[in-house]
Amino acid sequence: EIVLTQSPGTLSLSPGERATLSCRAGQSVTSNSLAWYQQKPGQAPRLLIYGASSRATGVPDRFSGSGSGTDFTLTISSLEPEDFALYYCQHYGSSPRYTFGQGTKLEIK
Amino acid sequence: EVQLVESGGGLVQPGGSLRLSCAASGFTVSSNYMSWVRQAPGKGLEWVSVIYSGGSTDYADSVKGRFTISRDNSKNTLYLQMNSLRTDDTAVYYCAREKVSDYWLDPWGQGTLVTVSS
Repeated sequence: EIVLTQSPGTLSLSPGERATLSCRAGQSVTSNSLAWYQQKPGQAPRLLIYGASSRATGVPDRFSGSGSGTDFTLTISSLEPEDFALYYCQHYGSSPRYTFGQGTKLEIK
Repeated sequence: EVQLVESGGGLVQPGGSLRLSCAASGFTVSSNYMSWVRQAPGKGLEWVSVIYSGGSTDYADSVKGRFTISRDNSKNTLYLQMNSLRTDDTAVYYCAREKVSDYWLDPWGQGTLVTVSS
């Protein structure tokens, strides 16, 4: 099982600032197996990024994903008030089919 | 519009059973892979089970032998039969679609809360 470690656990920033969220895999993974989700309180996760760097339909272009091998990054170029939420990275594998990082909470400073 | 709506959650005693439903609209359940993912209160996401378009299934080790995933093609609905429930099964349960050629889950339903407690 691939373990995903997200950092930091909590990120405190102000609107307009740039956010950089990290996801590290316990061993090298293919880029097409890495995705990012956003979750707001009381809501289901929403797909943001798939294939490490492709934005899902309707996702603003201030969100971008990058990385390869074991290190992946979600960047939000200029934070909007609605971006403060929980973010999870996800790996697709064989068994279990999906594993998730423990999450990064992006909070307003 | 592609949509998933879960139902069937509730309070159940340890050792009890519950069946969750996930009604799909805007796409055909049997043409996709469908998963259940759960989230314990205040915790992260845990994948639970998948049913493939061909009908085969897979489970997380934590639920293997206790949970059964199935679908009703005529109702375009996904199910999760949960038996021998334990307190650590308490969570919000989400259903989600995985297209056959994809490696991610989209969309997700709104979730249904299962509480296992005496």
